[in-house]
Amino acid sequence: EPEVTQTPSHQVTQMGQEVILRCVPISNHLYFYWYRQILGQKVEFLVSFYNNEISEKSEIFDDQFSVERPDGSNFTLKIRSTKLEDSAMYFCASSVDSNQPQHFGDGTRLSIL
Amino acid sequence: GIQVEQSPPDLILQEGANSTLRCNFSDSVNNLQWFHQNPWGQLINLFYIPSGTKQNGRLSATTVATERYSLLYISSSQTTDSGVYFCALEGGSEKLVFGKGTKLTVNP
Repeated sequence: EPEVTQTPSHQVTQMGQEVILRCVPISNHLYFYWYRQILGQKVEFLVSFYNNEISEKSEIFDDQFSVERPDGSNFTLKIRSTKLEDSAMYFCASSVDSNQPQHFGDGTRLSIL
Repeated sequence: GIQVEQSPPDLILQEGANSTLRCNFSDSVNNLQWFHQNPWGQLINLFYIPSGTKQNGRLSATTVATERYSLLYISSSQTTDSGVYFCALEGGSEKLVFGKGTKLTVNP
């Protein structure tokens, strides 16, 4: 069964550094998402992306965050200047259409020191 | 926005027992999914169930959209069922709104 893949599985970064999290969505899917989960808390929506542009974003997704689909397969989340509170598990998801099931990757655990 | 409430927050079972997890929501939904988050943090998709009933092995789920709740049934629980179970909904937008989860511990 096709799956969403995320790299790296764990990223450790110094505060203030830029970090790029990478995702390869399922190939025929058109909608892409990023979510995050701070340790011990619920999963929170960050951003959705469709037709090469952001379709929705949360208040968490401020100017430090950006997303890109640089080619036909990758979908990236960039955090420009990381803060301690950015430490979390970041999940990428994709769906064939809106209102269809979202399929999640295994996540990238981001640790900011 | 849409509100999601899951109950109970914690559940401890002996292996072999059955359980029912509940998800209440505040508005009509276009998408409802149940996930199992295992001890490694992976989110495993269990059911896509905006309405009706589905079964997959020892697990089944029912959503009564008109009454705004969904139930996840786990029968003959095993230690590998331990983890956190999340209900997540999509209302009028594309994003999934997650509940706080039910933490299930199955003891041998």
